[in-house]
Amino acid sequence: SQKIEQNSEALNIQEGKTATLTCNYTNYSPAYLQWYRQDPGRGPVFLLLIRENEKEKRKERLKVTFDTTLKQSLFHITASQPADSATYLCALAKGNTGKLIFGQGTTLQVKP
Amino acid sequence: NAGVTQTPKFRVLKTGQSMTLLCAQDMNHEYMYWYRQDPGMGLRLIHYSVGEGTTAKGEVPDGYNVSRLKKQNFLLGLESAAPSQTSVYFCASSYGTTNTEAFFGQGTRLTVV
Repeated sequence: SQKIEQNSEALNIQEGKTATLTCNYTNYSPAYLQWYRQDPGRGPVFLLLIRENEKEKRKERLKVTFDTTLKQSLFHITASQPADSATYLCALAKGNTGKLIFGQGTTLQVKP
Repeated sequence: NAGVTQTPKFRVLKTGQSMTLLCAQDMNHEYMYWYRQDPGMGLRLIHYSVGEGTTAKGEVPDGYNVSRLKKQNFLLGLESAAPSQTSVYFCASSYGTTNTEAFFGQGTRLTVV
C-alpha cells in the first residue's frame, strides 16, 4: 500500500527565514500531490496542488516542488511569519481512484 | 456558503453504544471522505464515496459503516463503540476529478469511555 512520510519532528525557525518541509512517498506514483495547513482544533485547509508533470508550483510566499524520480515533494515558505505556525500535511491520490491519503504532518513553529 | 458541516461537534459515548456522525456539503461535490485523526498518526481514511449510492473502504474501515443515500450527505456509523474509536473525526468532500482540492469540516471530537 502507499506510504507517505513527513518529518514527525517539529520544525522551529526564525521569522524571516525560509521553512522547508519534506514529503516522501513509496510505491506507485501519484497523479498529483497536495499540501494542506491545519491549525489546532480545526480541519485542514488546502494550500497548493502540483501535478506529476509539473516540477514546481508557486503561490505568493509558498513554493512546492515535485520530484517523481526521488518520490519526494518539498514545500517552502519564504519570509516566514509567526502566523505561518501550524501543522502542514501532504496528501496524494492516484488518478481517479478517489482515495486521498495523507501524511502525518509536520508542525512548523516560526519564532519572532 | 456553509461548505462542509459536521454534526455533532463533540460526543461522549459509553462502550457498546452506537451513534451516527452526519456530514453535509453544499458544493455539489461527487467525492466525500471520512477520516480519523489521532496524535502521531495523522489523518487516516476510514471510508469514502465517489458518488451517490456508492461507498468504498479506506485504510481503517473496521468497526465503522457508511451510507451515501443523498449526494450532499455522507453518514458514518459506529454500531458498537469501543475506546479505540476515541478520536477526532473529519469529513471532507471534493469535485472528484484529478486536480481538485478537498474541503474539510470542522471535526467531531468523540470520546468512548
